[in-house]
Amino acid sequence: EDQVTQSPEALRLQEGESSSLNCSYTVSGLRGLFWYRQDPGKGPEFLFTLYSAGEEKEKERLKATLTKKESFLHITAPKPEDSATYLCAVQAVYGGSQGNLIFGKGTKLSVKP
Amino acid sequence: EAGVVQSPRYKIIEKKQPVAFWCNPISGHNTLYWYRQNLGQGPELLIRYENEEAVDDSQLPKDRFSAERLKGVDSTLKIQPAELGDSAVYLCASSLNNYNEQFFGPGTRLTVL
Repeated sequence: EDQVTQSPEALRLQEGESSSLNCSYTVSGLRGLFWYRQDPGKGPEFLFTLYSAGEEKEKERLKATLTKKESFLHITAPKPEDSATYLCAVQAVYGGSQGNLIFGKGTKLSVKP
Repeated sequence: EAGVVQSPRYKIIEKKQPVAFWCNPISGHNTLYWYRQNLGQGPELLIRYENEEAVDDSQLPKDRFSAERLKGVDSTLKIQPAELGDSAVYLCASSLNNYNEQFFGPGTRLTVL
C-alpha cells in the first residue's frame, strides 16, 4: 500500500534557526514527489516536484531533496512568514492509487520572531 | 491568471440536509480533482475528472455523494443526505493533465450539525 509519513508533526523554530522536515514514503514506483505549503483557511500551495533520487530544488529559503525512501525540506534562516503546514505527497506509477496524489498528514511549522 | 475558484467558502447545515459545492478550475486545465481534508490530515482524493469524464471515483461514497463536470469546465460536488461525519474541508484542484502539478482552490468548510 502506498504510504507517506511526515515528521515531526509540529516544529517550533526561532527566526533564523535552520532545520529540516522529513517525508518518508513507500510507493509502487515513484512517478513524482510533491511539496505543498498550506496556510490556515487556505488550500495547499504548490512548492516543488521531485522525480528522481539525487534531485534537488530551491526556492528562496526552501530546498527540497529526494532519496529512494525519503525527501527532506530544508529551511534556511526561516522568517515568521514561513509559518505554515508543509504537506508532502507522492504519485505512483503502478498500483491501485496509480496517478493519484497520496498526501502525508503534514508538518506544522511555527517560526517565532 | 485567476486561480481555482470555489463557492461557497463556508456552509453550515443540519444532518440529513443536502449540500452542493461548486468549482471553476484554471482555464485550460483538463484535469479536475475533488478532495476532502479532515482536521490535522492531508487531503484525500474523492474523484478525478479528465475533461468531462470521471476516470477515478473509487474513493467517492456513492450512496450519498455525486459529482458532475459540465462541458469539461465547472464541476459540482453534492452530498445528499449529509451526515455528521461529512464535516470537513472540501478542496477542488486542477492541472493541465494528471502528470502536472495540481493547483488548489481555497476550499469549502462544511459543518454538519
